[in-house]
Amino acid sequence: AQSVTQLDSQVPVFEEAPVELRCNYSSSVSVYLFWYVQYPNQGLQLLLKYLSGSTLVKGINGFEAEFNKSQTSFHLRKPSVHISDTAEYFCAVSAMEYGNKLVFGAGTILRVKS
Amino acid sequence: DTAVSQTPKYLVTQMGNDKSIKCEQNLGHDTMYWYKQDSKKFLKIMFSYNNKELIINETVPNRFSPKSPDKAHLNLHINSLELGDSAVYFCASSRDRVTDTQYFGPGTRLTVL
Repeated sequence: AQSVTQLDSQVPVFEEAPVELRCNYSSSVSVYLFWYVQYPNQGLQLLLKYLSGSTLVKGINGFEAEFNKSQTSFHLRKPSVHISDTAEYFCAVSAMEYGNKLVFGAGTILRVKS
Repeated sequence: DTAVSQTPKYLVTQMGNDKSIKCEQNLGHDTMYWYKQDSKKFLKIMFSYNNKELIINETVPNRFSPKSPDKAHLNLHINSLELGDSAVYFCASSRDRVTDTQYFGPGTRLTVL
């Protein structure tokens, strides 16, 4: 079975400051990792995904994430946030052995303050 | 040009009623999903269909019955609605590989009174 832990339920940060949203996963098989963003009253949109290769993955809106296999982590970072980044962010994992099923973490609300 | 659309956006109904939520995707994808997001925003997969065949069924009560009339549609029918069914239901679609991005619809907020 797989599971995802997002260590922070809420992260407040000032505009133009850097941010890191933490994600750890647990799986007995090799995994694929995803970050999705959900703006208020909307569906989820993919920010980035790690499938293989380079452990540093760049996504949309200036976000990036680093896959760390030894620490089973996939933390999301942005060097300078904007007010418009205020949203909920979900880390998710999938694996070939479990079909196309995405297993999500509980989400982290990023609140960007001016 | 909506990629994944759901109707209705909001659904308010009484306990015991039967209701349906419709989902359509125009991306030409082979696989479609239903997810439930509870009041704590926790997202969990319910069902997945590939080319109209059920491939994932995550021990959802049998009051929930997905129906896929064709590859582009996956509807969710719920019988005998209960208070605990109140949630936001998201439809998603992807091509058939596990590495492919899932595209989500805008969600249907179901409130059972």
